[in-house]
Amino acid sequence: AQSVTQLDSQVPVFEEAPVELRCNYSSSVSVYLFWYVQYPNQGLQLLLKYLSGSTLVKGINGFEAEFNKSQTSFHLRKPSVHISDTAEYFCAVSEGSNYKLTFGKGTLLTVNP
Amino acid sequence: KAGVTQTPRYLIKTRGQQVTLSCSPISGHRSVSWYQQTPGQGLQFLFEYFSETQRNKGNFPGRFSGRQFSNSRSEMNVSTLELGDSALYLCASSPPGTSGRDTQYFGPGTRLTVL
Repeated sequence: AQSVTQLDSQVPVFEEAPVELRCNYSSSVSVYLFWYVQYPNQGLQLLLKYLSGSTLVKGINGFEAEFNKSQTSFHLRKPSVHISDTAEYFCAVSEGSNYKLTFGKGTLLTVNP
Repeated sequence: KAGVTQTPRYLIKTRGQQVTLSCSPISGHRSVSWYQQTPGQGLQFLFEYFSETQRNKGNFPGRFSGRQFSNSRSEMNVSTLELGDSALYLCASSPPGTSGRDTQYFGPGTRLTVL
């Protein structure tokens, strides 16, 4: 069965600092990996996804993530964060033809001035 | 294109009642999935419908059920509500594909409070 672990429940950073949100997954088959963001009182918005090919994936709002198969990781990074990036970030995985997304517990990113 | 819409946005019910939530997918999307989000359990998959058929189901009791109509709109029903059913219920739709690689587009959710 697939599972996702987000190693940090909360990450506080200062504005314009770099940030990395960590995600590890477990699966017995090939997977598709996603990062979603949730702003207060809203649904989830896709930041980026890894399907195949290049292990470095670029997404919206300046975010990028790197797929590492040997370490079963898919960490999200941004070189310089803004106040508006304050939100909860979810890593998710799906397998094959299965539409079921398995989510991590989420990481609350708080950007302070 | 309009996004995924969910109605109502907020609901308050009492234990033992039942509730029906509605989801309208993005035009042209035929797959609709439902998720429950709680502070303790996080985001959990409930079920997924495609062309009016349930294709996948999560580990929830039979009190949770759903259906999909010919226009791809979906409803979710919870019977005999319990306090623990208080949650944000999210609906997501996907393009007419057949793979987990397809992006799921989420609605704003329905916040259900059970008293």
